[in-house]
Amino acid sequence: GEDVEQSLFLSVREGDSSVINCTYTDSSSTYLYWYKQEPGAGLQLLTYIFSNMDMKQDQRLTVLLNKKDKHLSLRIADTQTGDSAIYFCAEIPTTSGTYKYIFGTGTRLKVLA
Amino acid sequence: GAVVSQHPSWVICKSGTSVKIECRSLDFQATTMFWYRQFPKQSLMLMATSNEGSKATYEQGVEKDKFLINHASLTLSTLTVTSAHPEDSSFYICSARSGEGATGGEQFFGPGTRLTVL
Repeated sequence: GEDVEQSLFLSVREGDSSVINCTYTDSSSTYLYWYKQEPGAGLQLLTYIFSNMDMKQDQRLTVLLNKKDKHLSLRIADTQTGDSAIYFCAEIPTTSGTYKYIFGTGTRLKVLA
Repeated sequence: GAVVSQHPSWVICKSGTSVKIECRSLDFQATTMFWYRQFPKQSLMLMATSNEGSKATYEQGVEKDKFLINHASLTLSTLTVTSAHPEDSSFYICSARSGEGATGGEQFFGPGTRLTVL
C-alpha cells in the first residue's frame, strides 16, 4: 500500500533539537518533501531532498534519508516556539505516472517555553 | 515567488446552497492544480487533480457532480460545492504545480478555505 507514516505528536523544550520521523513505502520516489502547517493555514514547503542524497542541511533544518529503510527525518535545531505546527512529509512515487503527493499522517510539534 | 491564493478564506452557508472557492497562482503559471480536503487533526485528502483546459481527474470516492472543478486558465481553478450539506463542512486547500522549480514536482499551497454548512 501507499502509507506514509509519522508519529503523531512530539513535544520539546525551546532551544532543544526536534527530530520528526517519516517512513515511506515507495522507493521510486525521486524527491521527498517536508511541509509545515500552522493552525488554520495552508502548507508551507520547508525543504526537500533528492533520493540519491543521504543528507541535506538548510540553516536550522537537517534532512536525513535512509533509502534502504525508506526512512526520512527532519531535524530542527534550536527549536523555537514559532516552530510549533504540524509537519508533513510527502513523496511523489514516479511509478504512479502523475505528480500526486502521498502525504504522511502529520506530526504535531509542540514547543514548550 | 510561487504564491497561491484562495478566496474566500472562510464561508458559512445554508444547507442546500452552492459555494464556489477560487484558487489562483499569483506569480506563476500552474500546469496542474490540486484540491484537497482536510478534516480536523488529519492529513490532507486529495480530492481531484485538474489540468488547464481539460476535465478534472477525481479520486476514488469523490463525487464529481457534487464537487465541480473548473480550471479555466493557467492561473485559476475553482471548486464548487453544490447543494452543500453539513457533512461537507471542512477545510479545503488547493495547491498548484508549475512543473518548474528545483524539483519540478513541488506543489505550492493556498492558505485554505474553511467551509461551514449550517
